[in-house]
Amino acid sequence: DSGVTQTPKHLITATGQRVTLRCSPRSGDLSVYWYQQSLDQGLQFLIQYYNGEERAKGNILERFSAQQFPDLHSELNLSSLELGDSALYFCASSVDVGGMYEQYFGPGTRLTVT
Amino acid sequence: DAKTTQPPSMDCAEGRAANLPCNHSTISGNEYVYWYRQIHSQGPQYIIHGLKNNETNEMASLIITEDRKSSTLILPHATLRDTAVYYCIVRSNAGNMLTFGGGTRLMVKP
Repeated sequence: DSGVTQTPKHLITATGQRVTLRCSPRSGDLSVYWYQQSLDQGLQFLIQYYNGEERAKGNILERFSAQQFPDLHSELNLSSLELGDSALYFCASSVDVGGMYEQYFGPGTRLTVT
Repeated sequence: DAKTTQPPSMDCAEGRAANLPCNHSTISGNEYVYWYRQIHSQGPQYIIHGLKNNETNEMASLIITEDRKSSTLILPHATLRDTAVYYCIVRSNAGNMLTFGGGTRLMVKP
């Protein structure tokens, strides 16, 4: 158990809908990262927050957005969903930013868009 | 961040040491070598990381060559539960994200 929690575990929704994925980082971790894993793209970085502020952006679509709240939990919002958005979404956290701080991953949310 | 090259798959007998190689010939002086693994569709699990020196923890050992252009992850006594995809990642000190490649699919056989 990494200490990172994600809800829900599974989500099935229809095209065009909007969903919110939630992540609680490990106690004391200030930085949260979101990753997407699809069959054809592998694990890809989406976005990072540090202490409430956006820190880095990866291949995140404009239909996707995220935020980190004062209690440090984070939410990833996916809107106008398409079939291709079906994937595993992982959240990770680290105590600080920088290459020497390891990231710990949550169990993921499996999103299925029908 | 520097690119890494790993063999796509490897087999290991249960109870034997598993030695997973990684080539990172373009690594820079401030870049760390990280290893993660992913068992089936679970979240990637942090194993170990290092900068220059060899490192050991309760899970594995990391051997980095003196020129830092390659490294080896060693699982000293592989079990069936070590069957997973192992990712070698090079990450700068200023780096935020982890950049995952294809990894090595390790199959531990009885």
